[in-house]
Amino acid sequence: GQNIDQPTEMTATEGAIVQINCTYQTSGFNGLFWYQQHAGEAPTFLSYNVLDGLEEKGRFSSFLSRSKGYSYLLLKELQMKDSASYLCAVPNYGQNFVFGPGTRLSVLP
Amino acid sequence: DAGVIQSPRHEVTEMGQEVTLRCKPISGHNSLFWYRQTMMRGLELLIYFNNNVPIDDSGMPEDRFSAKMPNASFSTLKIQPSEPRDSAVYFCASSLAGGRKNIQYFGAGTRLSVL
Repeated sequence: GQNIDQPTEMTATEGAIVQINCTYQTSGFNGLFWYQQHAGEAPTFLSYNVLDGLEEKGRFSSFLSRSKGYSYLLLKELQMKDSASYLCAVPNYGQNFVFGPGTRLSVLP
Repeated sequence: DAGVIQSPRHEVTEMGQEVTLRCKPISGHNSLFWYRQTMMRGLELLIYFNNNVPIDDSGMPEDRFSAKMPNASFSTLKIQPSEPRDSAVYFCASSLAGGRKNIQYFGAGTRLSVL
């Protein structure tokens, strides 16, 4: 089965950089997803990693190390609108995802 | 594209009543997922369908929950009878199996309160 761990909460200042970590244990690996979820809204897709290394997409980057079962989401030039929960997810089998508990990020002025 | 459409957005009902949640997936998607989200348990998969066929319903809490997908553009999740512990946000998501990355796209959710 899958086991995913993330920090529960993080706080950062507007304009700063924050790194949100995700560790996972899986019997078979088929990629790792990051989703953003604002309070009261649906999760929305942010990034996907299947190979080791860093994937950059604007202010957001995601890193994967398959050998360590580790990923992180890097948010640069933080804005107030980045206050949200960030969930990592790994496919279980087929199209099924297992989501981590999520990290609630608060961006302060 | 309208995205995944769920209805109702909010549902308040009394314990023992039947509740039906509805979902229209993105046109062309062939996989559909029902999730439940609570503060205590996070986002949990209840059941998912591929080509209208239920593939995995191991997350369905008990016999009070049932889900159907009569065609490619419609699915329902029914709770009968409902209980206060069923209060949660229920999300529907869809994806294109075999498509790029199998990204799941979520509907806006139904916030269910059982009194």
